[in-house]
Amino acid sequence: QVQLVQSGAEVKKPGASVKVSCKASGYTFTGYYMHWVRQAPGQGLEWMGWINPNSGGTSYAQKFQGRVTMTRDTSITTAYMELTRLRSDDTAEYYCARVEGGYASLDYWGQGTLVTVSS
Amino acid sequence: SYELTQPLSVSVALGQTARITCGGNNIGSKNVHWYQQKPGQAPVVVIYRDTNRPSGIPERFSGSNSGNTATLTISRAQAGDEADYYCQVWDSSAVVFGGGAKLTVL
Repeated sequence: QVQLVQSGAEVKKPGASVKVSCKASGYTFTGYYMHWVRQAPGQGLEWMGWINPNSGGTSYAQKFQGRVTMTRDTSITTAYMELTRLRSDDTAEYYCARVEGGYASLDYWGQGTLVTVSS
Repeated sequence: SYELTQPLSVSVALGQTARITCGGNNIGSKNVHWYQQKPGQAPVVVIYRDTNRPSGIPERFSGSNSGNTATLTISRAQAGDEADYYCQVWDSSAVVFGGGAKLTVL
């Protein structure tokens, strides 16, 4: 069965960086784009961008341009999202989710990784 | 950038029909996906491409999309349907979510 398993919760200081991983299993990793979505406490879903695991190509939401980097390691079917220059308002649950492509839905989601930014 | 507008909250009596709207400029020309999110859980897709139900989603969930409004309809609402519901579209190569609507079953 399809599974996306994310790394554990993180606590970071303002100005630091965080790298969240998303281990995929149960399907062909390179056949589906991987997206990252975050959700601040009590708030809605915010799309951050995607990576094409086949080519490594990426597309980021304008809000995160320059601060986010999405990568992947196909040998271990894992996608990564790194966010730099963290601020308190980056405190959120971060999710990975796969998309088949062609304006499809985000059909499987990871369990989420809570990133807390606090001094 | 493209914007989606949802009501903050929707209430429905147990066993009745709930309708959650998602407004956007000419949204009828786009594919709309709907997600259900319960507290402490990741979102789950309940309707994809306007009207399609993934396997495991009850037939009580249905969707429509025309003009400037897409609608998620939940028939015979149950207590277990209480959740936040988000609509989503693609705008160019970017994903856009609505602000989310909280469904309360009375």
